Amino acid sequence: AQKVTQAQTEISVVEKEDVTLDCVYETRDTTYYLFWYKQPPSGELVFLIRRNSFDEQNEISGRYSWNFQKSTSSFNFTITASQVVDSAVYFCALSGLRSGSEKLVFGKGTKLTVNP
Amino acid sequence: EPEVTQTPSHQVTQMGQEVILRCVPISNHLYFYWYRQILGQKVEFLVSFYNNEISEKSEIFDDQFSVERPDGSNFTLKIRSTKLEDSAMYFCASSDLAPDSYEQYFGPGTRLTVT
Repeated sequence: AQKVTQAQTEISVVEKEDVTLDCVYETRDTTYYLFWYKQPPSGELVFLIRRNSFDEQNEISGRYSWNFQKSTSSFNFTITASQVVDSAVYFCALSGLRSGSEKLVFGKGTKLTVNP
Repeated sequence: EPEVTQTPSHQVTQMGQEVILRCVPISNHLYFYWYRQILGQKVEFLVSFYNNEISEKSEIFDDQFSVERPDGSNFTLKIRSTKLEDSAMYFCASSDLAPDSYEQYFGPGTRLTVT
């Protein structure tokens, strides 16, 4: 069975602080994808990144960076120099690559509040 | 940029009534999904649909739920007899499963309130 654990329920930081959101996953699939989505107060799900299981390179996109470590089954997300607009719930998700259905399994989310 | 659309944005219905939530996936996508998010909780998979049939469904997706692709563009989720616990945000998603660009594109959601 697939499972995603986001142990941090809520995090509160002050603007310009760096913050790391943790994600640990479980899967028996040898090929899988990991995702991060942002859900702002307006409710939509905003895609941030996709990573496949064969690519362990870390990725940086502006103030966002992701650290994928297969050895610890983790896919952590860091926001550098946080801003108030980063306040949202962030979901980590996992998808296998079985033919016909590649449902996303989501973690419970981490609510990030960035205070001015 | 192509996007998934959903209507209505908010639906209020009485317990026991039937509701149909509508989605227009991205036009060249072949795989369609419904997810549900009860307020304050995580996003949960309901059902996936490919080649005009259900490919996988969760235990949440019981006989009260059905999905349909009635024409070439719409993808619908029907709840036959709504219950209070069906109140949630329902997200539609679509994907093409191209390995190099695999992503599920989500619609903005329909907030269903059952009273």
